[in-house]
Amino acid sequence: ETGVTQTPRHLVMGMTNKKSLKCEQHLGHNAMYWYKQSAKKPLELMFVYSLEERVENNSVPSRFSPECPNSSHLFLHLHTLQPEDSALYLCASSRRGGRGDTQYFGPGTRLTVL
Amino acid sequence: AQSVTQLGSHVSVSEGALVLLRCNYSSSVPPYLFWYVQYPNQGLQLLLKYTSAATLVKGINGFEAEFKKSETSFHLTKPSAHMSDAAEYFCAVSDQASSNTGNQFYFGTGTSLTVIP
Repeated sequence: ETGVTQTPRHLVMGMTNKKSLKCEQHLGHNAMYWYKQSAKKPLELMFVYSLEERVENNSVPSRFSPECPNSSHLFLHLHTLQPEDSALYLCASSRRGGRGDTQYFGPGTRLTVL
Repeated sequence: AQSVTQLGSHVSVSEGALVLLRCNYSSSVPPYLFWYVQYPNQGLQLLLKYTSAATLVKGINGFEAEFKKSETSFHLTKPSAHMSDAAEYFCAVSDQASSNTGNQFYFGTGTSLTVIP
């Protein structure tokens, strides 16, 4: 399989559930990203990993917990979410290099919090 | 700080007509600029990117964009719209927060393109 894959594609969870989103990139990249896409708002960068080390955390609530076990895999662990967390969660990857590296996106996970 | 403004959250064109989607950016350094397209229930797909090599950039599916430094603009155009062009389009500017990060992208709010038969 090529590019960036995400599972599951759709997820419905209650506010007390714990679930995880998975992202895998097959591009040999060294940086991976989690974005949140809500209606009528710009994409919000949540986390950045470079060479498996988290280098950016844009004040995301602690109910979102990322994990990057290696340069090809990225997880987003979810617990005690709120209805306003319902959104499309996108994963992306890029080469670790200078400015201008293209980010390649996965298809996203559509999350609904009841 | 970098930012992107996309004028017009919705644009409608007739099939065969010119497509023009507007993007203005703010950047304290020479920018790297991108246009992405998002079809329903899919992720973002790169259309084209500007990296200072040429001001007119050609992308996939017949799209192109022109970088105009004096206007801080990077508008996306296509001479003749096709029904399959109906999608959400995002403009983005690239920055790099530090030497240890992958580069940071700042996205606009998107423009939804409708193509009328």
